Amino acid sequence: QLQLQESGPGLVKPSATLSLTCTVSGGSISSSKYYWAWIRQPPGKGLEWIANIYHSGTTNYNPSLRNRVTVSVDTPKNQFSLKLTSVTATDTAVYYCARWGPSGPYWNFDYWGQGMLVSVSS
Amino acid sequence: SSELTQDPAVSVALGQTVRITCQGDSLRSFHVSWYQQKPGQAPILVIYGNDNRPSGIPDRFSGSSSGDTSSLTITGAQGEDEGDYYCNSRDSSGNHPFGTGTKVTVL
Repeated sequence: QLQLQESGPGLVKPSATLSLTCTVSGGSISSSKYYWAWIRQPPGKGLEWIANIYHSGTTNYNPSLRNRVTVSVDTPKNQFSLKLTSVTATDTAVYYCARWGPSGPYWNFDYWGQGMLVSVSS
Repeated sequence: SSELTQDPAVSVALGQTVRITCQGDSLRSFHVSWYQQKPGQAPILVIYGNDNRPSGIPDRFSGSSSGDTSSLTITGAQGEDEGDYYCNSRDSSGNHPFGTGTKVTVL
């Protein structure tokens, strides 16, 4: 059974860089079938897609975050990572990693990590 | 625009039917998925490809789509169906916006 687990600091200072890692187990991040994604949810608010990445490093970013976000993949470690620069309190959220994969001809976020709350505060 | 709009909240009597809608221009071209989220939990996929149920999802969940509007219907709602529901699609630029979310209350 595929599992995803987010890890990283739960508290980040304003103007600093938020860094999270997602470790994938029970499957290979190098599979040609899947993309890997970051999604976040501010407390009490809705879901916001941040970015997708393919094992080759091909990325797609939310235009509203593109100038502050970098995602990368580490295939030997079966991990992918998120970096968000110049954070403010509005970046406080539960951050989820997820797999974007096909169900027949349709693509979905079919596996999710449990989520990790990252707070931005001094 | 890739925005997806949902009604903020709906309520349904136990055992009755409720429909949740998702509206957006991108839905004319791309399929929709629906996710259920309960407090403190990660979302789970309940409908994909407009009207397909993943294995393990009860058949009281169904989906449909026409024009710029997609719908999720719960027929015979149960208490465990309470939660937040989000639609999700993609747009021509490869972005994956989520809908604004609908809170479902079962009375």
